[in-house]
Amino acid sequence: KAGVTQTPRYLIKTRGQQVTLSCSPISGHRSVSWYQQTPGQGLQFLFEYFSETQRNKGNFPGRFSGRQFSNSRSEMNVSTLELGDSALYLCASSQVPGGLGTDTQYFGPGTRLTVL
Amino acid sequence: QKEVEQNSGPLSVPEGAIASLNCTYSDRGSQSFFWYRQYSGKSPELIMSIYSNGDKEDGRFTAQLNKASQYVSLLIRDSQPSDSATYLCAVDNTNAGKSTFGDGTTLTVKP
Repeated sequence: KAGVTQTPRYLIKTRGQQVTLSCSPISGHRSVSWYQQTPGQGLQFLFEYFSETQRNKGNFPGRFSGRQFSNSRSEMNVSTLELGDSALYLCASSQVPGGLGTDTQYFGPGTRLTVL
Repeated sequence: QKEVEQNSGPLSVPEGAIASLNCTYSDRGSQSFFWYRQYSGKSPELIMSIYSNGDKEDGRFTAQLNKASQYVSLLIRDSQPSDSATYLCAVDNTNAGKSTFGDGTTLTVKP
């Protein structure tokens, strides 16, 4: 069974630009969660999607948004990039909603975003 | 104060020793507790989950939970160099829709 895949793996953008990251969950998994990982703030929850609906959202500004498609694939978008948005963005999928709490959450390899 | 706090580390132990990793949390509504291992440059992988007070053993790993003290720990017996990684404590309050990770403790096992 293929794992969680994320594209692209690496991305370099400049301040003010926007970026879209993609995540394909494990086959049969309908919940997708997004996390941001930085050396200073650690791993922080961004949002969770299930059945094309956002279930939960972390404490991030409105520049961070996401969506989920009918095939469970998810995208997250960051508009008006800031230097502080440089991070590893991790996507995780699980069979049922509840993300971490389901005990079936598996992480993808991440997208390393660098903002110059 | 952070919602999930871990030993600041880094933690270094000799091969074959017991490594002890500690985590405290502030949200009393938390129901699920996890330990993830993250190798440098890789994504986190789940190694233990625990939901009720007491100990849970899986091979060389033992997770301990004390909800009254809001404390969860991970013991790694017979530590191996391949255990060298950052260990993340994670806490979930499903009712509140909240998942929180600690900053991680970096463990080095020296041959």
